[in-house]
Amino acid sequence: EVQLVESGGGLVKPGGSLRLSCGGSGFIFSRYSFNWVRQAPGKGLEWVSSISASGTYIYYADAVRGRFTVSKDDANNAVYLQMNSLRAEDTAVYFCARDLYSSASSKHFDYWGQGVLVTVSS
Amino acid sequence: QSVLTQPPSSSGAPGQRVTISCSGSSSNIGSNTVNWYQQFPGTAPKVLMFNDHQRPSGVPDRFSGSKSGISASLAISGLQSEDEADYYCAAWDDSLNGWVFGGGTKLTVL
Repeated sequence: EVQLVESGGGLVKPGGSLRLSCGGSGFIFSRYSFNWVRQAPGKGLEWVSSISASGTYIYYADAVRGRFTVSKDDANNAVYLQMNSLRAEDTAVYFCARDLYSSASSKHFDYWGQGVLVTVSS
Repeated sequence: QSVLTQPPSSSGAPGQRVTISCSGSSSNIGSNTVNWYQQFPGTAPKVLMFNDHQRPSGVPDRFSGSKSGISASLAISGLQSEDEADYYCAAWDDSLNGWVFGGGTKLTVL
């Protein structure tokens, strides 16, 4: 059974840092690319970052570029999101989601973790 | 504002058909496929439709997707109470080099 489990969330002061982890099981982790998607309280989904299967291709939303860093550790079946210089507007539930290619040019998020809450507040 | 535009709410009576629209631009819907996600309160989203019109296994055929130009839509026929949820469209944006989502549509079954 495919599972994604996020951890590392919590309360942090503005300007602080946090590292989120997403552990995967039930599939060959190294073959997949992953994404982080967040959802502020009562708001919609917002894509944060993507990392390719090899880790070669990395993309960030403008709102987090330069502050967040995504990485992938196939040996430990984990994806990480290092979040620095956190702001109040980063407060959200952060989801990890796996990419599945349905064709050479089409993909979607086929599995999601349960999400982890990050609260940025003084 | 979200890059993709969805109506914030939609409603229908049990058994009716509802359609949720998603409008984008040439850099996202116009050049890439659209996916739809369903989310119940307090839970993670789940893929409902991918590659514009394909349903993952387990999704009833009451759900259908379509796309034309820079717009896409999700149709739900034979509306049931368990369809009450939030629905999001998403597509890759070639200009932004990232995924863009619609603002979400809250579906209420009357």
